[in-house]
Amino acid sequence: KNEVEQSPQNLTAQEGEFITINCSYSVGISALHWLQQHPGGGIVSLFMLSSGKKKHGRLIATINIQEKHSSLHITASHPRDSAVYICAVRSVDTDKLIFGTGTRLQVFP
Amino acid sequence: GAGVSQSPSNKVTEKGKDVELRCDPISGHTALYWYRQSLGQGLEFLIYFQGNSAPDKSGLPSDRFSAERTGGSVSTLTIQRTQQEDSAVYLCASSSHRTSGGARFFGPGTRLTVL
Repeated sequence: KNEVEQSPQNLTAQEGEFITINCSYSVGISALHWLQQHPGGGIVSLFMLSSGKKKHGRLIATINIQEKHSSLHITASHPRDSAVYICAVRSVDTDKLIFGTGTRLQVFP
Repeated sequence: GAGVSQSPSNKVTEKGKDVELRCDPISGHTALYWYRQSLGQGLEFLIYFQGNSAPDKSGLPSDRFSAERTGGSVSTLTIQRTQQEDSAVYLCASSSHRTSGGARFFGPGTRLTVL
């Protein structure tokens, strides 16, 4: 079993839909990252969380430390949101990131 | 530039040849990471440098892989006697706990193709 599990693996949506991507982890963490990888391969760090909730534009990330779960929400989705979204946790024992396998999102007009 | 840069952006090589991949982290960032992403796979940790400490090499897949970081800045990842399974996108990231709270800043990656 992977230490970081994401769901769903693939997600398609119509423009304007509200999207939720989930991440569960089984290790002790000091932080959780949400990353966005576009088809060209470039990776952008969206959020780094250690508790609570963060919002940036149409993106919202939440984390529940007790339940070892985080969600990434996209409101009013747009085709340009199409990308792979990756959850990564920073192990409390080391500074290494443990990555989920990603969620491939496609938003159609 | 202000971000992490990597070179080359693409590298095609023949099986058995050595390759060097370069990463220029954000100035002042003390931590530097190398990751690998094979086709259709998730990101895989390779090696981590933090300041003057000994690097964490636990993710290197074989002794054909090595990396160094000179002067606490630029890093070079070297793959000797490349194999086809080494084909992947190699990503570098840097962070500084002092200035970014540990947030990773990723470079654009080097796409390595071993024929």
